[in-house]
Formats: sequence, structure tokens, C-alpha cells
Amino acid sequence: EVQLLDSGGGLVQPGGSLRLSCVASGFTFSSYGLTWVRQAPGKGLEWVSTISSSGGTTFYADSVRGRFTISRDSFKNTLYLQMNSLRAEDTAVYYCARGGSTDYNNYYSWGQGTLVTVSS
Amino acid sequence: EIVLTQSPATLSLSPGERATLSCRASQSVSSSLAWYQQKPGQAPRLLIYDASNRATGIPARFSGSGSGTDFTLTISSLEPEDFAVYYCQQRRIWPITFGQGTRLEIK
Repeated sequence: EVQLLDSGGGLVQPGGSLRLSCVASGFTFSSYGLTWVRQAPGKGLEWVSTISSSGGTTFYADSVRGRFTISRDSFKNTLYLQMNSLRAEDTAVYYCARGGSTDYNNYYSWGQGTLVTVSS
Repeated sequence: EIVLTQSPATLSLSPGERATLSCRASQSVSSSLAWYQQKPGQAPRLLIYDASNRATGIPARFSGSGSGTDFTLTISSLEPEDFAVYYCQQRRIWPITFGQGTRLEIK
């Protein structure tokens, strides 16, 4: 069974940093693209970033490019999102999601989400 | 950026009725469109991918159709557990975008 366990969220001040993690199990980690999607309180879904199965290619939403970095560690079966220069508008539940082996951006499996609150 | 517009924003129906949800793209996404269901406090769940393919474990009452710019999610006979928010999502062109959602509520 595919499982994705998100963690690392919390309260951070504007301008601060946070690193989210997503531990994966139940599939061959290195064969799938992985993505972060966020959802602000009471709002819809927003794609944040995607990393290829090899980790060699990354994509970012304009709203986070230059501030967030997606990465993956195949030894630890873990996806990361390093978030710097955080803003109030980054407040959201962040979900990691697994795509297909060739269709990275059909999100077949999701983590439970981790809440990031940016506030002073 | 491709904008996905979902309609209606809210749909009020009774169990047993047929639900038809629409998603319109600002430019062609071919068949690269997915539908997700989200219930309160839960992560989204993939229902339909590539416009018309049901994801694993999704009941046959859910079906998707369309291509290009106009897409439809149909629930043939609503069950109590189907009342939720539904999102469409395109993967044809970066950045990946989602529609704003349709809330399906019990009438």
C-alpha cells in the first residue's frame, strides 16, 4: 500500500524558514515524480512544485520560485520542501503527492497534509 | 497559465440524483485533465485522470468526458458519501493548475 507521511509544519514568523518532509513507503521511490500541493485555509488547491523521479528536474510555481526548494533523498525515501523567506500568504496545509511513473502530474496518492502558519 | 473555470460553484442535489459538474479551460489541454474529490479535513482523492479514466477503486457511478477545453464529471446516482468538493486539474502545460472547485451539497 502506498503511504505518504507529511511532517514539518508549524508556526513561523514572516521571513523565517521551514523544511517539510514526506516519507514514502509501499512503492519504488526512485520510479515516481513527486509534488507539493498546498491549500490555504478555506481555499482551493494550488500546485507548488514537482520533482522528477531522478531528482534531476524541478518545477516551481511563480509564487514560490526563488524561495522554495524541492528535493528528494532516495536512501531515506523522503521528499523535502525547503521554504525560505516565508510570507503570510504561504500559510496553508501542504500535501505531498505521488504521480505516475510517466505521468508525473496525475496525483494518484496524497499525504495527510501538514499545516504551515506564517504569522508574527 | 491555463485557467480552469468550474461550474456551478455550488450544486445542491439529493441522494439518487445525477450530478453534472463542468470544467472549462482557457486553452486546450487535450485530454490531460483530472478530477479530484475532497472531503472536509481530508486530502484530495483522484477520481478521474486523462479526462475519462477512473482511478483504482473509484466506483463506476463516476465518469469523466471531454477533451480540448470542455470537460464534464458525471456522478450517475448520488450516494451520501459523494457530497464533497470537486476539483479539476490540468497537466498539459506548466504551471499545473486547478479549478476553483465545485461544492456538491445535499439538498
